[in-house]
Amino acid sequence: DAKTTQPPSMDCAEGRAANLPCNHSTISGNEYVYWYRQIHSQGPQYIIHGLKNNETNEMASLIITEDRKSSTLILPHATLRDTAVYYCIVSGKSNDYKLSFGAGTTVTVRA
Amino acid sequence: NAGVMQNPRHLVRRRGQEARLRCSPMKGHSHVYWYRQLPEEGLKFMVYLQKENIIDESGMPKERFSAEFPKEGPSILRIQQVVRGDSAAYFCASSPTINPFYEQYFGPGTRLTVT
Repeated sequence: DAKTTQPPSMDCAEGRAANLPCNHSTISGNEYVYWYRQIHSQGPQYIIHGLKNNETNEMASLIITEDRKSSTLILPHATLRDTAVYYCIVSGKSNDYKLSFGAGTTVTVRA
Repeated sequence: NAGVMQNPRHLVRRRGQEARLRCSPMKGHSHVYWYRQLPEEGLKFMVYLQKENIIDESGMPKERFSAEFPKEGPSILRIQQVVRGDSAAYFCASSPTINPFYEQYFGPGTRLTVT
């Protein structure tokens, strides 16, 4: 019962913005959208999360559509070190400490 | 502030042996989670612990697996009588509180190989 849908892979040129889409059409009103990434052979790393407003931090920006059924993670200036698997996760209910990592999007940044 | 620490980073065990994986959460964090990542798969939740308490072990296999988080010392994931199917990366995460805003901070993982 996948809560999110992401493309399996995408390429991005170094220095350009990478826009990673995520569909979460069954999201409920109290659920947040989280993004994590996993660089090869490392533990997942938290990137950003949001409820309904757009969010920005030092790593990325998160754009959530008005109906909250989809979102986009934006890496403004991709570097080779951003090559990783990116996971979009919907969570927020009282017992949703169980982060559910699907297949994610494998992002390859090319020089 | 040191991050989540896990040791060993790599562990090789023969079938039938025991594996002990350790996790030291970030300073100030009292909530620990264990996840398993099988080859070519996403991480799967195993267990959630607070100090001296198992809160949720719904993702733990029914046999051979156990976890603890004692009052003092690291959290331990213990696998008895390992089999080849236990070969995986085991990740520990910690968080300071439980609410919709929390993040989980992950360690580097322990890669278990069963021969």
